[in-house]
Amino acid sequence: GNSVTQMEGPVTLSEEAFLTINCTYTATGYPSLFWYVQYPGEGLQLLLKATKADDKGSNKGFEATYRKETTSFHLEKGSVQVSDSAVYFCALGSSGSARQLTFGSGTQLTVLP
Amino acid sequence: NAGVTQTPKFQVLKTGQSMTLQCAQDMNHEYMSWYRQDPGMGLRLIHYSVGAGITDQGEVPNGYNVSRSTTEDFPLRLLSAAPSQTSVYFCASSPLGSRGTEAFFGQGTRLTVV
Repeated sequence: GNSVTQMEGPVTLSEEAFLTINCTYTATGYPSLFWYVQYPGEGLQLLLKATKADDKGSNKGFEATYRKETTSFHLEKGSVQVSDSAVYFCALGSSGSARQLTFGSGTQLTVLP
Repeated sequence: NAGVTQTPKFQVLKTGQSMTLQCAQDMNHEYMSWYRQDPGMGLRLIHYSVGAGITDQGEVPNGYNVSRSTTEDFPLRLLSAAPSQTSVYFCASSPLGSRGTEAFFGQGTRLTVV
């Protein structure tokens, strides 16, 4: 079956620090990969996505590259801000779309000023 | 734009009570789904629907019923609530599109069963 393993949290960083959140996956077929972000008290919002090997998704300074050879989709940001404090979820869509998503456990990020 | 609207936002139930969590979307999406979010476990799929009159089970369907009579609405029913159903519930919708099609989520319903 499908599964997503995500870096354990919580993660606490100082403002302007470099962020990496690791995500690896197991999937049958050829999935699409997503990062969703959940701000306090809100629902999930799509942060970025990638639909094929070597694709790089990017948004708001965050990036992740679809690595088929290592089955990974690590999230990175060069300089985090206090406003980036949230829970980040890695997810895969086995059908290629986001219709039936398999989520990782989530990583709580706190950025201190 | 309203997007995906869930009601109520918070609910406390006693064991054995029943209730319906409401979900409505105004984007004319064919696909709708319900997830539950538990600490350390991410989100898990409960039920989903690919269109009016069509529903199917996800990973954790036991204790929940759904129906889809219109494109817009996809209610989730708890027939006899149990403490194990204490969770945050999210409804999502997406078009039946191609690779990379995004899912849109509601703001969630926090349910406590005592």
